[in-house]
Amino acid sequence: GAGVSQSPSNKVTEKGKDVELRCDPISGHTALYWYRQSLGQGLEFLIYFQGNSAPDKSGLPSDRFSAERTGGSVSTLTIQRTQQEDSAVYLCASSFGGTNTGELFFGEGSRLTVL
Amino acid sequence: EDQVTQSPEALRLQEGESSSLNCSYTVSGLRGLFWYRQDPGKGPEFLFTLYSAGEEKEKERLKATLTKKESFLHITAPKPEDSATYLCAGNAGNNRKLIWGLGTSLAVNP
Repeated sequence: GAGVSQSPSNKVTEKGKDVELRCDPISGHTALYWYRQSLGQGLEFLIYFQGNSAPDKSGLPSDRFSAERTGGSVSTLTIQRTQQEDSAVYLCASSFGGTNTGELFFGEGSRLTVL
Repeated sequence: EDQVTQSPEALRLQEGESSSLNCSYTVSGLRGLFWYRQDPGKGPEFLFTLYSAGEEKEKERLKATLTKKESFLHITAPKPEDSATYLCAGNAGNNRKLIWGLGTSLAVNP
């Protein structure tokens, strides 16, 4: 596809379960970002990838959160032992690396609900 | 602390009633102020980048301007399809950590 693709679009899970969220960026975009968006909160930066490397993981809220990127393309965000406060929309974005234009291309997000 | 503040939180306009949205920022070493539009259930969509005070960008009914302390998004003769949440973000020299405002929710009534 032409845009950033995220799956699943919706995920309902029970507290304590692990979840995986997937992001397929725009072809050729070397930079990939994960953000979290909650009601009443601004977009919260989680992690940034340049190629397969993550030079900035400072936004990950706890060690229950991890992410990887393979082949300079698809990325997976994993949340272990989910908690109710993890409920949010998780947004993935990609861009041409190094341009610093701030022009990010976002997917439609994965809405996570932890019961 | 770097911060971006948007006002108002919500704005309701009649079709054709022009107005402005405000984005004030305290971002040290600002290297760009960005405007995005977000529709319900969608990810943000890029609108504009402004780099220096005095710069203006236009797209259809939208015009973004930048001063040393704030940015405005002017909406001229809005239409119902302009209804969305408008987000601004500041780049502190590292676009891995754009500093985002909470957005202005705009509703344009026909």
